[in-house]
Amino acid sequence: SQQGEEDPQALSIQEGENATMNCSYKTSINNLQWYRQNSGRGLVHLILIRSNEREKHSGRLRVTLDTSKKSSSLLITASRAADTASYFCATVKQGAQKLVFGQGTRLTINP
Amino acid sequence: EPEVTQTPSHQVTQMGQEVILRCVPISNHLYFYWYRQILGQKVEFLVSFYNNEISEKSEIFDDQFSVERPDGSNFTLKIRSTKLEDSAMYFCASSPSLAGAGDTQYFGPGTRLTVL
Repeated sequence: SQQGEEDPQALSIQEGENATMNCSYKTSINNLQWYRQNSGRGLVHLILIRSNEREKHSGRLRVTLDTSKKSSSLLITASRAADTASYFCATVKQGAQKLVFGQGTRLTINP
Repeated sequence: EPEVTQTPSHQVTQMGQEVILRCVPISNHLYFYWYRQILGQKVEFLVSFYNNEISEKSEIFDDQFSVERPDGSNFTLKIRSTKLEDSAMYFCASSPSLAGAGDTQYFGPGTRLTVL
């Protein structure tokens, strides 16, 4: 598999429930970033977690990073219909310039 | 809040034609990027640009592609002779410093390129 693989590929939950998305990667990284993309639109940066951090919070978002397992998770608590979007993780190597994106998770929040 | 802007939002062109996609990065940013996303696929890196030159490019970024910062604000991607497989959403991004130094890349809304 390639750098930045998310699972599940698609997730459908009821409004108010929590949504958890996972990302695995292959190489050493400097940081990992999560982005949201509404259908056919641009990428919105959600949160960045550095390789020396284990957990980070931003509003209803919680991101964890386990560098020993080369994996990260994004938790959205108390989901809302407006959270319906695709979510991508992107990894960055130390000193690198490019983001390497995964395939993304399509999240659907049902009212 | 400052944001990256891109024009046009949608470009339709005939195969073999040249297209120029335009971007205005965030004003105090130093690094500029182009990515593309073919429909239903992952976002792929094309090129990064720093200090008025290409600093990194992917295998996708062949001789048909070029980038330029013609003035202090615009950043352009030119495709010289478009192919059907160039149809994609093209995203411009900018960052204050290196992503690998822990900095966020801010993306524009994208230009949807359709090659007929």
